[in-house]
Amino acid sequence: DQQVKQNSPSLSVQEGRISILNCDYTNSMFDYFLWYKKYPAEGPTFLISISSIKDKNEDGRFTVFLNKSAKHLSLHIVPSQPGDSAVYFCAASLTISGNTPLVFGKGTRLSVIA
Amino acid sequence: EPEVTQTPSHQVTQMGQEVILRCVPISNHLYFYWYRQILGQKVEFLVSFYNNEISEKSEIFDDQFSVERPDGSNFTLKIRSTKLEDSAMYFCASSEAPPGTSGVTDTQYFGPGTRLTVL
Repeated sequence: DQQVKQNSPSLSVQEGRISILNCDYTNSMFDYFLWYKKYPAEGPTFLISISSIKDKNEDGRFTVFLNKSAKHLSLHIVPSQPGDSAVYFCAASLTISGNTPLVFGKGTRLSVIA
Repeated sequence: EPEVTQTPSHQVTQMGQEVILRCVPISNHLYFYWYRQILGQKVEFLVSFYNNEISEKSEIFDDQFSVERPDGSNFTLKIRSTKLEDSAMYFCASSEAPPGTSGVTDTQYFGPGTRLTVL
């Protein structure tokens, strides 16, 4: 039962270009969404989040867009840098208090080519 | 910057043996979690812990698993009799959730993980 889906297992982008990572979810009760970045041999690192009352959240080079009607969110990284190469996980939660389980997607491996 | 730490980084054990995975959450955090990631699969929730008791647990977290906060800093996951399919990366996470403050966004911060290999 994949409640959170990341359909692209990998993505390659040229340095300086935009990276767009996509995520779909099936549970309409999710109201808080997060993106984590993971390097090999490290734990997931929080990147950016968005609550269901918003449709966009921006933090520097990272922007997350939420389309509730489509149950879709995306992470935009612009400009992409080689250090952004990592696995990106989309995660969702049922509340915005942060103390409920996160449901993760399978991840998308981003490779930024210099 | 405060961080979640986990020990050991890699644990190898024989099937049927007990293992204890240790975590030190961020010091002012009140909620603690264990997740695991089997190789090639997604990160899955195991259990959450608050105020010295389990808040939620997944169906993965069966009777062979237990969690404990033995002192003011450590948070442990015990697997009583390991099985081959328990081989995975186990991640501890913690979040600061001030009691009574609903509607406050919060973030779970993850440790680097313990790779458990069951032979």
